Amino acid sequence: GAGVSQTPSNKVTEKGKYVELRCDPISGHTALYWYRQSLGQGPEFLIYFQGTGAADDSGLPNDRFFAVRPEGSVSTLKIQRTERGDSAVYLCASSLIPEDTQYFGPGTRLTVL
Amino acid sequence: QKEVEQNSGPLSVPEGAIASLNCTYSDRGSQSFFWYRQYSGKSPELIMFIYSNGDKEDGRFTAQLNKASQYVSLLIRDSQPSDSATYLCAVHTGTASKLTFGTGTRLQVTL
Repeated sequence: GAGVSQTPSNKVTEKGKYVELRCDPISGHTALYWYRQSLGQGPEFLIYFQGTGAADDSGLPNDRFFAVRPEGSVSTLKIQRTERGDSAVYLCASSLIPEDTQYFGPGTRLTVL
Repeated sequence: QKEVEQNSGPLSVPEGAIASLNCTYSDRGSQSFFWYRQYSGKSPELIMFIYSNGDKEDGRFTAQLNKASQYVSLLIRDSQPSDSATYLCAVHTGTASKLTFGTGTRLQVTL
């Protein structure tokens, strides 16, 4: 079966622009997570969805970041007014149920010039 | 103090040797523990998980958990050059579903 997929694989944008990153979880997985990984660091939690609702958004760094999962499957991470400090790899993971093993997608490398 | 701590390495071991990777965590309420392998430019790939004190073996990999000492380790037997990667320790803390990761230990298996 297919794993977690993320699009685009790479995104280059200019400071101040808006970007959307997409995640398609493993079929049947109810929990979906977004993480951000900077060079030399482990992934940092951003937000977690159980079904359609954001169960924990404590990791979102500020109100420029927002995520949705309207039908309980695909999720979109939205970043407004991008800053150079937003450059990182954005990882999506899913699990069958919360607190179960998380499986990661290939990530989206975001570069803000 | 970081919630999950790992030595960044690099840890260099010769081919065929045992690699020992260590991780400590600060939250005594942590319930489950995961080891992920990450090749350069790739995403984390699950190696093992462990919930109970003691050892858990899967092929060449053994995870060890000591909740009293707040310590989890990963042993890789008969290390191969293909094991060269960064190994990330991750912890479910308390009731949170999120994973808290260490910074990873870079392992180099030399010929």
